[in-house]
Amino acid sequence: EAGVTQFPSHSVIEKGQTVTLRCDPISGHDNLYWYRRVMGKEIKFLLHFVKESKQDESGMPNNRFLAERTGGTYSTLKVQPAELEDSGVYFCASSQDIGLAAADYNEQFFGPGTRLTVL
Amino acid sequence: AQSVTQLGSHVSVSEGALVLLRCNYSSSVPPYLFWYVQYPNQGLQLLLKYTSAATLVKGINGFEAEFKKSETSFHLTKPSAHMSDAAEYFCAVTPRDNNDMRFGAGTRLTVKP
Repeated sequence: EAGVTQFPSHSVIEKGQTVTLRCDPISGHDNLYWYRRVMGKEIKFLLHFVKESKQDESGMPNNRFLAERTGGTYSTLKVQPAELEDSGVYFCASSQDIGLAAADYNEQFFGPGTRLTVL
Repeated sequence: AQSVTQLGSHVSVSEGALVLLRCNYSSSVPPYLFWYVQYPNQGLQLLLKYTSAATLVKGINGFEAEFKKSETSFHLTKPSAHMSDAAEYFCAVTPRDNNDMRFGAGTRLTVKP
């Protein structure tokens, strides 16, 4: 079974440009999460989708970031316009519906991340 | 709000020595706790998790962690370090009623020959 995949693996752009990151979750996983790790800092939660709906977007830094999950399958995270402080590694994770295994935790499976560098 | 603190951004041990990576959490109720490992150029891999069963949790690659409520700690240990253990390790916490995970800053483990 394929794991969580992310594209691209690396992206180098100039300040002011637009970048779109893509995440393909594990098939059948309703929950999709975005996280970001700025150099040397902790991995921070950005937002959580349940199917196509945003369950929690409290971690989104500002309105330059737009996440979508049309159809409840893959998700995109667009940064427009990119700023220097947006550089970091963006991780995506997916998990099954919590209700399917209420007695236990539903593990989040992480993708390899996209390393974004804004020059 | 929950949070975790990892003490020591870098830990260096000799091959064969004990590995101890520290994690303390802050939560109003006992949460779920996790250790993840990230090898170079790879994604995060779950090492082990505490979800309210046994307080001593055994994970992959010989790692284990003990949940100590009185100390609000979930330290990761391995009796004997191997060169292949060199990686970055993250402690994480989620509340019991949702999956929103909060991570520590990470500890980079170096293993010297």
